[in-house]
Amino acid sequence: GENVEQHPSTLSVQEGDSAVIKCTYSDSASNYFPWYKQELGKGPQLIIDIRSNVGEKKDQRIAVTLNKTAKHFSLHITETQPEDSAVYFCAAPFNNAGNMLTFGGGTRLMVKP
Amino acid sequence: DAGVTQSPTHLIKTRGQQVTLRCSPKSGHDTVSWYQQALGQGPQFIFQYYEEEERQRGNFPDRFSGHQFPNYSSELNVNALLLGDSALYLCASSLVGGGNSPLHFGNGTRLTVT
Repeated sequence: GENVEQHPSTLSVQEGDSAVIKCTYSDSASNYFPWYKQELGKGPQLIIDIRSNVGEKKDQRIAVTLNKTAKHFSLHITETQPEDSAVYFCAAPFNNAGNMLTFGGGTRLMVKP
Repeated sequence: DAGVTQSPTHLIKTRGQQVTLRCSPKSGHDTVSWYQQALGQGPQFIFQYYEEEERQRGNFPDRFSGHQFPNYSSELNVNALLLGDSALYLCASSLVGGGNSPLHFGNGTRLTVT
């Protein structure tokens, strides 16, 4: 099955700085990599995803990069704001359809005003 | 457009009891997955239902069972509760095929076993 490792487990940044979270996966057949944001008391919310036919995808202040050779992908948040504070999870699928996911252990991001 | 809804939001049970959790998928979705999220950890896949059948199961014992109804809603049942079953139980829905239909999660049911 798929194994996903995520680093760091906690990340503290000053408002306006950038934050980077990194994940590695084990199954070279994986082709879909979503990122979820989980706020206190809520379920995970999809914030961005990338498929293996592209190396980078951006959505405003959020970007994800994928290196299939090295089997790792990263989340980049620029110009961080206090409302970015949450737990972020990366994931990779263990089925071809991409809707059965193995999650990383999570990164608690704290943005200090 | 209603998202994934789960009930109840919180539940307290005693060791050995049985519990049923409920989920209504996002409008237009036909596949329901259940995940267990222990405190401070990422969600872990329990099983997925499509066309009222269990498609795949994660590494969970038979005490965990489920059901999907013709309207695509789903239930998760856990028998003979253990203290270690205390967790946030998340329901996620998607469209069959999944490749172009990301998982959408509900806000979960917080189960406490005493």
